[in-house]
Amino acid sequence: AQTIHQWPVAEIKAVGSPLSLGCTIKGKSSPNLYWYWQATGGTLQQLFYSITVGQVESVVQLNLSASRPKDDQFILSTEKLLLSHSGFYLCAWSLGGASAETLYFGSGTRLTVL
Amino acid sequence: GDSVTQTEGLVTLTEGLPVMLNCTYQTIYSNPFLFWYVQHLNESPRLLLKSFTDNKRTEHQGFHATLHKSSSSFHLQKSSAQLSDSALYYCALSDMGYKLTFGTGTSLLVDP
Repeated sequence: AQTIHQWPVAEIKAVGSPLSLGCTIKGKSSPNLYWYWQATGGTLQQLFYSITVGQVESVVQLNLSASRPKDDQFILSTEKLLLSHSGFYLCAWSLGGASAETLYFGSGTRLTVL
Repeated sequence: GDSVTQTEGLVTLTEGLPVMLNCTYQTIYSNPFLFWYVQHLNESPRLLLKSFTDNKRTEHQGFHATLHKSSSSFHLQKSSAQLSDSALYYCALSDMGYKLTFGTGTSLLVDP
């Protein structure tokens, strides 16, 4: 069975500080990987997607970056946090192919920027 | 670009009454995939149902929806609401690539 693990569960960070969030998928080779952001009371906004190691596509510009250093790992980061980065970050995976496939979400990381 | 509209931010109804959550979309693609995701409190979203076939009813866990391309709609329905249905419901649209566009979500609150 496939499992998706996100870390950390929650972060409280200062404005201007760096951030790194991680996601690992086990039990599925070469999954499509996604980062989503959910502001408090807001919709799910797709940030990045990756269909293969080393390749990441940006969907929106929010002063964030993403990398896929391994087939089963997806990293979201920034060098300088903004207040507007606060929210709930979700990693997700889907089977190889188009996003017409089901998205399976991780348990998320709640980020508070002060 | 693609967009999904969910007109109700909050729907409150009594247990046992029917549920209908609205979803309309805009896209240039002639064969879009439409999804409903449900997110219970303190949980992550999970797929409820999906469809890409015009005028075909899709059902799962008592919920159903029919994609109507003529009206660009994919409304979610259930004949009888249960307390456990209280959650946030997102309609979403796929461009058949790797982008999934979500609506703003509808919070469903079912009272006893």
